[in-house]
Parts: sequence; C-alpha cells; structure tokens
Amino acid sequence: DVKVTQSSRYLVKRTGEKVFLECVQDMDHENMFWYRQDPGLGLRLIYFSYDVKMKEKGDIPEGYSVSREKKERFSLILESASTNQTSMYLCASSLSEYGYTFGSGTRLTVV
Amino acid sequence: QQQVKQSPQSLIVQKGGIPIINCAYENTAFDYFPWYQQFPGKGPALLIAIRPDVSEKKEGRFTISFNKSAKQFSLHIMDSQPGDSATYFCAASMDSNYQLIWGAGTKLIIKP
Repeated sequence: DVKVTQSSRYLVKRTGEKVFLECVQDMDHENMFWYRQDPGLGLRLIYFSYDVKMKEKGDIPEGYSVSREKKERFSLILESASTNQTSMYLCASSLSEYGYTFGSGTRLTVV
Repeated sequence: QQQVKQSPQSLIVQKGGIPIINCAYENTAFDYFPWYQQFPGKGPALLIAIRPDVSEKKEGRFTISFNKSAKQFSLHIMDSQPGDSATYFCAASMDSNYQLIWGAGTKLIIKP
C-alpha cells in the first residue's frame, strides 16, 4: 500500500513564525498536492507538483510556498504564519487522478 | 464551470437506512467521478469511482448512480451501519488534467 506520511499530527506556532510542513510518499508517485480542510469549506488546493522542482499554484496559494527537491518529498511553507492559517493541512500523492492517497493530516494552530 | 456542488452538508440516518448524497457538475469535459470517505483524524480515502460510460457502479454496499444528461451523480449506501459514519466527498476530473475538483463534503452520521 502507498504510504503518505506527514511529519506532524499537531503543531502550535506563533504569529509571524516561518512554518514547515513536511510530506513524504513511498511509492514513486509523480504528483503531490497540499490541501487545507476547514469545516464547511471542504478541501481547498494550495499548491501541487507534477515533478521534481516543479510547482503550480492551486486555488488559495497566498501566504504559502512549496518545495519539491526530491520526488518523494513535498514541503509546504508558511512564510509568516497568521491566525487565519489555523487549519487541517492534508498532503496527497497520485500517479494520475485515478486515486489520490492522502496522509493523516497536520492540525496547525497559529496563536 | 469548474465547480462540483455537493448536498446535503450533513445527514443523519438510522442504522439500516439508505443515505443518499448528491453531486452536480457543469463541465461536460469531466470524465472521472470518484467518491472519497474520511474518518475523523484521517485523510480521505478513495471509496468508489465511475466513468460516464456507465450509469451505475456497485462495490459492496456502496453504489454510484450517474445521470449524464442531468450532470449529476450520487452515492447510495445500502444497509448503512454506524461504522459508515464519516465525511464523504465527491470529486470530478478530466483526462487531460490530473487535478480533482472537490465537492464541499457531507458529514454522515448513522444512528445505532
């Protein structure tokens, strides 16, 4: 089974801090995605990547950046964390759209 | 035109009942329609998916019904159990695009 591992289940950070969320997949998937999940808003795409060093903005990229230096690792960076970035962050990987595999999520609280 | 509209937002059904979750789309270029199931504290997981060349697909107690002319598809859960309580997401995508367009999710509760 494909595994997508997110480095932290829970994080508490202060306003203005630079925050790194790490995601690693173990099945050589080319596509990786970062979503945030908020009650009533479903899954909103922040950034995605189809290849190493390649990134594309999703629907809500403002305040975020990403890094994909290796195929298996996709990092989400909050340049200067704000309270409105308190959310559940989900990483996913896929070979195509035919089956995303999600990590268990990181619940980030910015205080 | 890229949206997928999902309803209801939440649903409570008695054990053994048949919850039905509906999704509607506008873009006729969509050709793949998956449903994902998410339990608390977990990421969503692929449950069942359908292509528009069939009107229905069953996997165990889960059935997708697809109406191409109405641009709607729905998830039915037969003989629902408390263990089916979860959030369900519909989605859609095009062959030429690996991105899934997501519905807003339905929180389903099956009462014992």
